[in-house]
Amino acid sequence: AQTVTQSQPEMSVQEAETVTLSCTYDTSESDYYLFWYKQPPSRQMILVIRQEAYKQQNATENRFSVNFQKAAKSFSLKISDSQLGDAAMYFCAYEMDSSYKLIFGSGTRLLVRP
Amino acid sequence: DVKVTQSSRYLVKRTGEKVFLECVQDMDHENMFWYRQDPGLGLRLIYFSYDVKMKEKGDIPEGYSVSREKKERFSLILESASTNQTSMYLCASSFMVGIKPADEQYFGPGTRLTVT
Repeated sequence: AQTVTQSQPEMSVQEAETVTLSCTYDTSESDYYLFWYKQPPSRQMILVIRQEAYKQQNATENRFSVNFQKAAKSFSLKISDSQLGDAAMYFCAYEMDSSYKLIFGSGTRLLVRP
Repeated sequence: DVKVTQSSRYLVKRTGEKVFLECVQDMDHENMFWYRQDPGLGLRLIYFSYDVKMKEKGDIPEGYSVSREKKERFSLILESASTNQTSMYLCASSFMVGIKPADEQYFGPGTRLTVT
């Protein structure tokens, strides 16, 4: 069975600095998708970034980028120039190709210090 | 903008009560999901539906049932609420699989259910 592991329950970053959130997963599939979702306090969960496993190029979305290491089954999220609005729970998620089911990690709470 | 709404933000129910959680989406999505979110466990899938009147069990369906009579509405039912069902419940929706890249799921605001 596929699993997703986020080993950092909480991370802290100074405003304007860079932080990296870790995620590892376990799968025997070759085609799949990986996601980072953000859940701000008392607000709806939204998609931050997604990565297709068949693409070697790492996805980027403005200040957010991923380091996708397929062989190592690692999918970390880098947030550059951290802002106060980045404070949230971040969830890593896995979706097998031809499936619509997401498997989530346990989440990492990101604190941003002003 | 996609909107997924849930009927209540907070709900308090007594043990043994039948509880209905409602979710509505306005983007004509085929797929709808119910998750349970608990600290340290992330989100776990309870049930999902890929079409009207169609449903499949997720990872933790015990104690729950669902209903989807209309495409835009997906209900989660706790037949006899128990204290271990105290949790945050999140609804989500997405387009049908087969549209690449994998379409994101859009989430509702959540319902925090307390069973006493």
